[in-house]
Amino acid sequence: DAGVTQSPTHLIKTRGQHVTLRCSPISGHKSVSWYQQVLGQGPQFIFQYYEKEERGRGNFPDRFSARQFPNYSSELNVNALLLGDSALYLCASSFLGRHEQYFGPGTRLTVT
Amino acid sequence: QKEVEQDPGPLSVPEGAIVSLNCTYSNSAFQYFMWYRQYSRKGPELLMYTYSSGNKEDGRFTAQVDKSSKYISLFIRDSQPSDSATYLCAMRKDSGGGADGLTFGKGTHLIIQP
Repeated sequence: DAGVTQSPTHLIKTRGQHVTLRCSPISGHKSVSWYQQVLGQGPQFIFQYYEKEERGRGNFPDRFSARQFPNYSSELNVNALLLGDSALYLCASSFLGRHEQYFGPGTRLTVT
Repeated sequence: QKEVEQDPGPLSVPEGAIVSLNCTYSNSAFQYFMWYRQYSRKGPELLMYTYSSGNKEDGRFTAQVDKSSKYISLFIRDSQPSDSATYLCAMRKDSGGGADGLTFGKGTHLIIQP
């Protein structure tokens, strides 16, 4: 079975630009969460989505937004990029009602 | 004080040794506990999931939870060079149907010397 997939694997953006990251969950998983991991730190929770609605949000500014599609895939959007947004962005999926989450390989974003 | 504390290491041990990795937490609302392994520049891989105090074993891995002390551990027996990675503890609150994400420690960088 395919795991969580994310695209692109790596991208470079300039300050002020916006970016869209994509995630496809494990087949049968309806919940998708997004995390930001900066170098040397553990992942930090950004959003959780299921049934196409935002169900939880971490301590991130409104420049961060996301959505979930009818096929349970998800997009993370970040506007007005800052240098500090450079990080590994991780998508995780899970069965509804389950606490353990399964992570994708991540998208490495570099903002210059 | 951070909600989850984890020594970043590095922790270096000889091949075949028993490894002990630990996290402490401050919020008793955390009820669900996970350990992930992360190789350099890859996504975290789920190793263990527990939700009750006590021990849970899976192959060479044993996860231990002590809710009274707010302390969790992961033991790795017969450690191999391929176990060299960063180990992240993660936990989730019992938010009564809400959707809190996982809260992670910083990760411990483990090196198994051949």
